[in-house]
Order: sequence, then C-alpha cells, then structure tokens
Amino acid sequence: NAGVTQTPKFRILKIGQSMTLQCTQDMNHNYMYWYRQDPGMGLKLIYYSVGAGITDKGEVPNGYNVSRSTTEDFPLRLELAAPSQTSVYFCASTSHVGPGELFFGEGSRLTVL
Amino acid sequence: AQKITQTQPGMFVQEKEAVTLDCTYDTSDQSYGLFWYKQPSSGEMIFLIYQGSYDEQNATEGRYSLNFQKARKSANLVISASQLGDSAMYFCAMREGRTGGSYIPTFGRGTSLIVHP
Repeated sequence: NAGVTQTPKFRILKIGQSMTLQCTQDMNHNYMYWYRQDPGMGLKLIYYSVGAGITDKGEVPNGYNVSRSTTEDFPLRLELAAPSQTSVYFCASTSHVGPGELFFGEGSRLTVL
Repeated sequence: AQKITQTQPGMFVQEKEAVTLDCTYDTSDQSYGLFWYKQPSSGEMIFLIYQGSYDEQNATEGRYSLNFQKARKSANLVISASQLGDSAMYFCAMREGRTGGSYIPTFGRGTSLIVHP
C-alpha cells in the first residue's frame, strides 16, 4: 500500500521560479489537503478538495494554486516563488466516511533563495 | 482566535513514566472530532488517536489515551509508560462537523516531548 505519495522530498528554488508539488493517493479518498508547516506554528491549511473538480482555499492560499482533475491526484503549484514560501509541505487525504483521520505524505521540504 | 491551543511548547518525562500533553479547543459545533498526531524527528505525521464529540468513553489506543472533558473543551493526550521512541512533536487537531460537506481539520502548534532514559 503506497498511501499518500508526495514528490519531490526536497527542492531548492530561486526567487521567482515556479514549481509543482505532486501528490497522489491510492485509497480512493474524496478529501485531500495541502498544509504547510513552519517552525512553532503547527500546520496551516493552504488548499483543500472534497472531490475531483472541486477545490477551495484554506487559511494561507496566497501564492499557490491547486487542481483536482482525478480522485487520486492533487498537485500544488507555486507561482513566482518567494522566500516566505520556504517551508515543509504536507499533502494529506481522508475518507468521507469514518472519523476523518488524515493520512499524510512524507512531506516536501522547499527552500526559496 | 485559535481553535486549538497547546500551551506546552516542550515537555520532559522520564522513561517508563506517564505524561499528559494538554489540548484545549474552541468550537460552537455540536458534532466534531479531536485527533492527536505524532511527528518524530524523521518528519512524517502519524495518526495516534481519535475522540468524537458524542463518544461517552475516553478513547484509548494501546499506551495512548485521550482524556476528554467536553465541558472544559479539553482533549489531553496521556501516554503511559513512556518509551524513548515517544520523543517527538505531538499535534492536537480538530475537525468541526461538515462545513460544505467537507472535513477541514485545524491543528495546534504542537508540543515537543523528550523522553529521558
């Protein structure tokens, strides 16, 4: 069982560059999320999706975009990278049935210089 | 206002002793869920335990139990018989009902637990 797979695990970007963090889950979960984790700040929700074709903003969406063309995939796009986007990014998913515990990817550490 | 508050940035415990990690929450929903996650130094997030707002019994999972006090809006994690491998960051999280048909979990800032031999 692969669960939630995120790539890449590490990336260094220059200011102004763009990139996409990939996220795939094989559990047929409807709900998917992107969080960023900054030291001492817990996890902040960037975007989430309740199903293919449906996405919505979380607490800190500025500078990011997402799409959800399939149930499995939920890529996060960073446009015009800024140093403030240096963070660890987590993709997570959960089922629409049951308590709603999150299944996380391993995280992607992004540094913008 | 923060929906999840973890007031202990860091905690220390002796191996084999019990430790309680505090979590208070704020919601006006009647239906909600409370979760604890562990993040070891390797960075992955691991689900530990869940408590539903309508559950009358405190949740338990092995050495983990959740001390749920609804009137006080607290959901403290108790780890019994601490092990060195319990050293990690611990996050409390809440899912409030179904907003627009979705679960939107909110996380606290975390508590760093160090277990001493």
